[in-house]
Amino acid sequence: QKEVEQNSGPLSVPEGAIASLNCTYSDRGSQSFFWYRQYSGKSPELIMSIYSNGDKEDGRFTAQLNKASQYVSLLIRDSQPSDSATYLCAVINTGTASKLTFGTGTRLQVTL
Amino acid sequence: DVKVTQSSRYLVKRTGEKVFLECVQDMDHENMFWYRQDPGLGLRLIYFSYDVKMKEKGDIPEGYSVSREKKERFSLILESASTNQTSMYLCASSFGGPRNTIYFGEGSWLTVV
Repeated sequence: QKEVEQNSGPLSVPEGAIASLNCTYSDRGSQSFFWYRQYSGKSPELIMSIYSNGDKEDGRFTAQLNKASQYVSLLIRDSQPSDSATYLCAVINTGTASKLTFGTGTRLQVTL
Repeated sequence: DVKVTQSSRYLVKRTGEKVFLECVQDMDHENMFWYRQDPGLGLRLIYFSYDVKMKEKGDIPEGYSVSREKKERFSLILESASTNQTSMYLCASSFGGPRNTIYFGEGSWLTVV
């Protein structure tokens, strides 16, 4: 079983701080990585995708990928209470076409 | 905007009933998926379809079947519902390929009593 692992949290950060969410994966050949945000009772929505080593920035969000170490992270700058949600890391494993394998998610709480 | 529609949002069914969950996407996507999500277990793939009438088992296909007669529609069938199938079911779709984004429907909450 090719796995994706995340710390379940909760990760608590004060408003305005940087939240750092981490994910490790077991399939060394994985090429595609995604971060989804899921509010309680809602379905996941895509925040970022990343395919190459390094950083990718989109507004307050930065995804970081290190294939040698098999981890991918998501940084949220200037965290807002509306960022409070569960963040799911997802990976397309080698030879699985478009199928995503998800981590169990990290719950983020942004406090006032 | 991509729209994936799950027609039944909240269902309560009895043990042994046959249950149909319907999903429709409006973006001409090749791939469609059914996941279930349970606390502590995350999202798990039940079945995957990459073309009309084509299907592939996911990680937890036992107790489920699927049907894809038209490109835009993908149905999940519980032949004989059991209490351990109480869960949130998520349909998703994508064009395909390793860089392709998967879009989710709003989810169907199924309770089997």
